[in-house]
Amino acid sequence: DAKTTQPTSMDCAEGRAANLPCNHSTISGNEYVYWYRQIHSQGPQYIIHGLKNNETNEMASLIITEDRKSSTLILPHATLRDTAVYYCIVRVAVGGSNYKLTFGKGTLLTVNP
Amino acid sequence: DTGVSQNPRHKITKRGQNVTFRCDPISEHNRLYWYRQTLGQGPEFLTYFQNEAQLEKSRLLSDRFSAERPKGSFSTLEIQRTEQGDSAMYLCASSTGTSGISETQYFGPGTRLLVL
Repeated sequence: DAKTTQPTSMDCAEGRAANLPCNHSTISGNEYVYWYRQIHSQGPQYIIHGLKNNETNEMASLIITEDRKSSTLILPHATLRDTAVYYCIVRVAVGGSNYKLTFGKGTLLTVNP
Repeated sequence: DTGVSQNPRHKITKRGQNVTFRCDPISEHNRLYWYRQTLGQGPEFLTYFQNEAQLEKSRLLSDRFSAERPKGSFSTLEIQRTEQGDSAMYLCASSTGTSGISETQYFGPGTRLLVL
């Protein structure tokens, strides 16, 4: 799976949008971008994933650049409960042998009151 | 709650003892995964089951570790002769096992192991 690069930490004011960047310059055409987050002492929580189109769900939006070498996770109105480590992961669709998720160290997002 | 469940949530043991963790995946999920997470690091893959078959084991999984998934439902992870280096959060995840499309893994809350 392609490697990803994320900032170590970010701050955001409560109620503002949080924009978390991820670089994945070596991504292959069949690799998806996944985002998970992990609140302290809990298991990772799935947020969203995409291939090349922008995606939105009830939790967040995912913006993938046209060349697919980077993406941004957007939490539109951050709350204190969004404070967590956010992981950006790229992997192929299951169908071959690439089933596992390879986590980096992620970005610690701190939402401040 | 229909999510992935893990038991126990916390385990404290003495070095040299054996411990066993259980994972109950989301109903009808064919694939089940175990990961380990140490302090300050992201989760690392340990092993993976497709139904009852264990298809892959990471090099992180030493001979002291064994995982099973009888009947393709719940799974157990046993650590024999625990060492202090085994102290970590052990995470279980499951997915539908649908080939050919993007597949999402859903994680349980984890079992935190402390070896004294």
